[in-house]
Amino acid sequence: DTEVTQTPKHLVMGMTNKKSLKCEQHMGHRAMYWYKQKAKKPPELMFVYSYEKLSINESVPSRFSPECPNSSLLNLHLHALQPEDSALYLCASSLERGAYGYTFGSGTRLTVV
Amino acid sequence: AQKITQTQPGMFVQEKEAVTLDCTYDTSDPSYGLFWYKQPSSGEMIFLIYQGSYDQQNATEGRYSLNFQKARKSANLVISASQLGDSAMYFCAMRESGGTTDSWGKLQFGAGTQVVVTP
Repeated sequence: DTEVTQTPKHLVMGMTNKKSLKCEQHMGHRAMYWYKQKAKKPPELMFVYSYEKLSINESVPSRFSPECPNSSLLNLHLHALQPEDSALYLCASSLERGAYGYTFGSGTRLTVV
Repeated sequence: AQKITQTQPGMFVQEKEAVTLDCTYDTSDPSYGLFWYKQPSSGEMIFLIYQGSYDQQNATEGRYSLNFQKARKSANLVISASQLGDSAMYFCAMRESGGTTDSWGKLQFGAGTQVVVTP
């Protein structure tokens, strides 16, 4: 079992819907990440939270809104998405922003209709 | 600029044979880490092996070994005795940790190599 838990595993939403993706880890990691991955492509970094503060925002559209309520939780709020936003969304965590290993969750497969 | 280069989009390998996946990288940071991940069709990103820039010896983890040639900036993954369950996409990734650039701490991925193991 992965130590980073993502819910839901699958999500289908309309372009006018508001939904949230959730990521949780209990490893004491202080950095958490959101990646977006299109089919047959590498993951692309969206956001980095370090000590619950947003430290990197890769110029992601405002229809994606991250939130880190505490050191164990990372949410990604979705609103007014486009069909091209359909992708696998991966959450990851690491001990520190610059530290060794990244542990990934199993991802949320998002389809925007 | 592309920091991680994987030149093999796809490979076929027979069961029980060894396969080498190529990876070259580019960085001026003296402190960095190199990773290989396996991603089956289910989507989960599975960590395979890690090599630190200051490590003297090549990393090994079971059937996986990393051929680290620092001067050439290459970090090839060798999978010995391939199994059908090794069929997946394989990503090489790098994390710079010097703290001197905006990219430090970010895990940056190559384009990936799709491996298909045949009976």
